[in-house]
Amino acid sequence: SQQGEEDPQALSIQEGENATMNCSYKTSINNLQWYRQNSGRGLVHLILIRSNEREKHSGRLRVTLDTSKKSSSLLITASRAADTASYFCATDRGTSGSRLTFGEGTQLTVNP
Amino acid sequence: EAGVAQSPRYKIIEKRQSVAFWCNPISGHATLYWYQQILGQGPKLLIQFQNNGVVDDSQLPKDRFSAERLKGVDSTLKIQPAKLEDSAVYLCASSLEASTYNEQFFGPGTRLTVL
Repeated sequence: SQQGEEDPQALSIQEGENATMNCSYKTSINNLQWYRQNSGRGLVHLILIRSNEREKHSGRLRVTLDTSKKSSSLLITASRAADTASYFCATDRGTSGSRLTFGEGTQLTVNP
Repeated sequence: EAGVAQSPRYKIIEKRQSVAFWCNPISGHATLYWYQQILGQGPKLLIQFQNNGVVDDSQLPKDRFSAERLKGVDSTLKIQPAKLEDSAVYLCASSLEASTYNEQFFGPGTRLTVL
């Protein structure tokens, strides 16, 4: 089955609320990345967390990684309508370069 | 800095026809990737180039798909002949080098519809 599976598949919240998306994977990784995709800007890299890191922040984004449980979560705080998009986790197992395996994605809708 | 350029943006063809997509990566980026994204799914890596050499093409259906990166810059992906299941968005991405911690920058994609 797919390396990198997001949960939930779809999430609908009100502006100002927090959104949490989860990702599980099956094999060992070098790093895990989160991407956002919407029709306006295509697929955009959000944040990368290395396998020896447990938490990382970037603006309103907070990512955690638990390698013992092979899972990661992405938290978006104080969401905005502009955050409406699909969010993908991608695992990188490359030993001689980056080889990303994407999950199926979480569709986030932020209602104004 | 200019981003990854792709053309055409949209393409509609009949099954069994041929089609080609073009990608121009960010200047100076040595590594180039082609992904296939079927509607409702995440992107799937088809092929990875380091300069003009192939690093990974394990998921490329080689009986109908081919790709090249001449002179280590632009790249073309070809499908010949196309099948209905090839309908997808084809994304090109590039990164500075093949290091596992390098961010990949994606182009807008080419949406292919096979009728």
